[in-house]
Amino acid sequence: NAGVTQTPKFQVLKTGQSMTLQCAQDMNHNSMYWYRQDPGMGLRLIYYSASEGTTDKGEVPNGYNVSRLNKREFSLRLESAAPSQTSVYFCASSESQGALYGYTFGSGTRLTVV
Amino acid sequence: AQSVTQLDSQVPVFEEAPVELRCNYSSSVSVYLFWYVQYPNQGLQLLLKYLSGSTLVKGINGFEAEFNKSQTSFHLRKPSVHISDTAEYFCAVSKTQGGSEKLVFGKGTKLTVNP
Repeated sequence: NAGVTQTPKFQVLKTGQSMTLQCAQDMNHNSMYWYRQDPGMGLRLIYYSASEGTTDKGEVPNGYNVSRLNKREFSLRLESAAPSQTSVYFCASSESQGALYGYTFGSGTRLTVV
Repeated sequence: AQSVTQLDSQVPVFEEAPVELRCNYSSSVSVYLFWYVQYPNQGLQLLLKYLSGSTLVKGINGFEAEFNKSQTSFHLRKPSVHISDTAEYFCAVSKTQGGSEKLVFGKGTKLTVNP
């Protein structure tokens, strides 16, 4: 099925460990986004990529890095995980004018940092 | 700056009752507004959107929302809810920054439909 695929679905890390969250879309969308979801906080934008080869910071970028590997893939890296990064992470994609077409979301990665 | 406020964090209702989930936005320019739904352990999916034109917008699963510019609101309504509507609902507004569109989400409203 067409859509946004995130891996892994679950992950437990120890404080200080690093990991990369993977995201791939097969809808030929130009724009991709990483959000984190915390109880009572809604979704907050971490980083986004308006098009292949560009990335920009969102609302809460500290502690994260991203790579837009190609048009399909947009990864999120935690270099040194902290308990405050325990969250559910969502990747999304959209056409360039995302407001007109809406976003397509992946099913999320539930990350626990102990 | 564009932002949204969802006025209720939790809304419990009985099955077949009407429901309204409230959302207010703040923006100094024209806005695009959205409602998304998140079922347990799933990602978000688009319920409906307002871009322009008619202020009453119909979405999937019998939901509708009304854009009210004077009250800066975009409340979501359904005349008769089902158990299966139990989910978290997010209001969102588009924000243009650096030439690209992004969505800014409210904090969410958990709708619980009881039998």
